[in-house]
Amino acid sequence: RKEVEQDPGPFNVPEGATVAFNCTYSNSASQSFFWYRQDCRKEPKLLMSVYSSGNEDGRFTAQLNRASQYISLLIRDSKLSDSATYLCVVNIGSGGSYIPTFGRGTSLIVHP
Amino acid sequence: DAMVIQNPRYQVTQFGKPVTLSCSQTLNHNVMYWYQQKSSQAPKLLFHYYDKDFNNEADTPDNFQSRRPNTSFCFLDIRSPGLGDAAMYLCATSRTQGAFTDTQYFGPGTRLTVL
Repeated sequence: RKEVEQDPGPFNVPEGATVAFNCTYSNSASQSFFWYRQDCRKEPKLLMSVYSSGNEDGRFTAQLNRASQYISLLIRDSKLSDSATYLCVVNIGSGGSYIPTFGRGTSLIVHP
Repeated sequence: DAMVIQNPRYQVTQFGKPVTLSCSQTLNHNVMYWYQQKSSQAPKLLFHYYDKDFNNEADTPDNFQSRRPNTSFCFLDIRSPGLGDAAMYLCATSRTQGAFTDTQYFGPGTRLTVL
């Protein structure tokens, strides 16, 4: 089982739609979780950290479910500019340190 | 202002010809990371430094080496690039490393082409 798994998609949605992505992780001791956005041929950029209580930033909501070991990202009122790949990052324990480990990303395409 | 800078942005090299990629940061972060990302794949961690402590991932080929002469700079050396090493190489920094690792800040990446 991969340490961090995401459905690669693509998720193809119309403008204004609500879309949700999940990311599962294997290490129950993981403490830090992030969502990054990556545009084609660009570097990943932090979208939001994921807190235990869940957090919201405008149209974006992130949730953590420790019992089932997954994090989610909800995008409301999708914009064309939301088209990108969304990467989840989980800190995975390894030999006493914690390594930020990426999922392969979920591709989102928002069309008019 | 750019906080993590990578040079060059694009690098073309010949099969077997050594190449060095550079990364510098103005954030004074303790941790620097090198990732390799191939098309439609997750960034794959090659190694990282916590200050001067070097940490190599178990599956990073010996062909890849790194140097961190000071806090601000980190280099990735590919001793004998093969066609399979063509990828985007991403440098990232974070203030700390632990269970509650701070946000990583990424440079723009260097796209390596091997002919």
